[in-house]
Amino acid sequence: RKEVEQDPGPFNVPEGATVAFNCTYSNSASQSFFWYRQDCRKEPKLLMSVYSSGNEDGRFTAQLNRASQYISLLIRDSKLSDSATYLCVARDGSSNTGKLIFGQGTTLQVKP
Amino acid sequence: EADIYQTPRYLVIGTGKKITLECSQTMGHDKMYWYQQDPGMELHLIHYSYGVNSTEKGDLSSESTVSRIRTEHFPLTLESARPSHTSQYLCASSVGGLNYGYTFGSGTRLTVV
Repeated sequence: RKEVEQDPGPFNVPEGATVAFNCTYSNSASQSFFWYRQDCRKEPKLLMSVYSSGNEDGRFTAQLNRASQYISLLIRDSKLSDSATYLCVARDGSSNTGKLIFGQGTTLQVKP
Repeated sequence: EADIYQTPRYLVIGTGKKITLECSQTMGHDKMYWYQQDPGMELHLIHYSYGVNSTEKGDLSSESTVSRIRTEHFPLTLESARPSHTSQYLCASSVGGLNYGYTFGSGTRLTVV
């Protein structure tokens, strides 16, 4: 079983739609979480950190449920420019290395 | 305004050649990482370093080697390139700490013919 699991999609949505991505992590000791965005043939870029209380950045909302070991990303009013792969990331809490563990990504295609 | 630089951006090279992929960062980060990623596939950690003279192998076995003689520089070397090494190689760095993610370079797309 992968340490961070995501539905690979693709999610095909019309412009203006609201879309939600889910992610689960297996290591209950994981201490911090992030969402990254990766455009085709580009490097991943940090989209936002995920805090226990939930956090919002414009049209993007991230939620963390530690009890269920579940992370979500909600995108409201989707734009064509949101088309990308979204990577769910957990920090390895089982050792003192603190490495980031990346999910395989969920692909979003926003259509006009 | 990238603070982490990778060169070359693209490299096509013949089988058996020795190659070094360069990665430099100007942020003073102690932690640096090399990932390998095939098109449409997930990232695989192949090497990491937590400071000068510290290097460790990652989760994916790789025939490449790395060195960390200076904080800002973390080159990756393939002694004898093979077609199976064709992939994108991404370098990243981090200041460390629970709430900090990684900053990635723009990658080197390697093709071995």
